Amino acid sequence: DAGVTQSPTHLIKTRGQQVTLRCSPKSGHDTVSWYQQALGQGPQFIFQYYEEEERQRGNFPDRFSGHQFPNYSSELNVNALLLGDSALYLCASSLNSDLDFYEQYFGPGTRLTVT
Amino acid sequence: QKEVEQNSGPLSVPEGAIASLNCTYSDRGSQSFFWYRQYSGKSPELIMFIYSNGDKEDGRFTAQLNKASQYVSLLIRDSQPSDSATYLCAVGSPDSWGKLQFGAGTQVVVTP
Repeated sequence: DAGVTQSPTHLIKTRGQQVTLRCSPKSGHDTVSWYQQALGQGPQFIFQYYEEEERQRGNFPDRFSGHQFPNYSSELNVNALLLGDSALYLCASSLNSDLDFYEQYFGPGTRLTVT
Repeated sequence: QKEVEQNSGPLSVPEGAIASLNCTYSDRGSQSFFWYRQYSGKSPELIMFIYSNGDKEDGRFTAQLNKASQYVSLLIRDSQPSDSATYLCAVGSPDSWGKLQFGAGTQVVVTP
């Protein structure tokens, strides 16, 4: 049973650049959520995708955007990178049902460093 | 602003002892409660979830929920050095459509 996968593992970008992170959900899951985790903090919710649409969004600027594909995989795009965007970006997958979609399983994460 | 609060630690626990971790939350409408374990440099791993008041046991882990007090806890029995990690409390609410609110985590250090 394949778990959540993310790519790339690590990424170094320069301020002002754009980045795309990718995620494939756990087999059987149809919902993907993205979180940002700064050092020493808990994950912060960015947004969630279900049926190829953004269903819920956290307090992140429009520089953060995403997409979900018909195969349930997802991308996170960040434009005009700032130094403060340096963090671990986590993808979590879940199954959309009454309560199950709260049970979220994380991928290994992408460590983004902005210089 | 919905909040989830945890003691940051570190919580030092002798090997074989019980580690007790606490978490409080501000949203009374919260219905789903999760504990994640995160090793340094790794991603969070779901270890327990609880939806109803009372205790839920899974191996050496016990989650306790008291919705009236807005309090959820995690007990780790017979603590092992491999339990040394940061434990994150996460809370879900019906009006949040799957958005989990996380605490900052409690670092646990199990000493031989």
